[in-house]
Amino acid sequence: AQSVTQLGSHVSVSEGALVLLRCNYSSSVPPYLFWYVQYPNQGLQLLLKYTSAATLVKGINGFEAEFKKSETSFHLTKPSAHMSDAAEYFCAVSPGGATNKLIFGTGTLLAVQP
Amino acid sequence: NAGVTQTPKFQVLKTGQSMTLQCAQDMNHEYMSWYRQDPGMGLRLIHYSVGAGITDQGEVPNGYNVSRSTTEDFPLRLLSAAPSQTSVYFCASSQNRDRVAQPQHFGDGTRLSIL
Repeated sequence: AQSVTQLGSHVSVSEGALVLLRCNYSSSVPPYLFWYVQYPNQGLQLLLKYTSAATLVKGINGFEAEFKKSETSFHLTKPSAHMSDAAEYFCAVSPGGATNKLIFGTGTLLAVQP
Repeated sequence: NAGVTQTPKFQVLKTGQSMTLQCAQDMNHEYMSWYRQDPGMGLRLIHYSVGAGITDQGEVPNGYNVSRSTTEDFPLRLLSAAPSQTSVYFCASSQNRDRVAQPQHFGDGTRLSIL
């Protein structure tokens, strides 16, 4: 069975500092991995996705993530945090195949301090 | 371009009442799904559908019913509401292409309280 673990339910950074949100996955098959962002009282928006084409994936709003098979990780980073990055971030894994089911992590709430 | 539309946005029910949460998408997506979001638990899959007439259970299906009579619509029914079903419900849709996982598009959610 596939699963996702997000380390740190709350992360706080200063504006301009590096953002690092951690995601580790468990999968018996090559996984498809996603990062989504949720702003208050909104649905989830896709930040980026990994589908085996390249291990370093660039997404929207300056975010990127690196797939590391040896560490079973897919951490999300951004070099310089902006106040508008404050939101909840979800890592998700999918086996692909006949369905498009997503298994989500429990989320990381990012706070950006001025 | 509306994307995924959920109605209502807010609802308060009494224990034992039934209701239907509506979800419609205008992207001709084959795959649709319902999730519930609870604090500290992320999103959990309730039911999903890979096309009209085809539905299946997700991780937490008990107390919920779905049907998919058209590509566009995927309503979620609460048969007899319980306080444990107080949650935020999200509908999502995506293409279902070549066995490669596709990004899902989410609605804005329905915030449901059961008293």
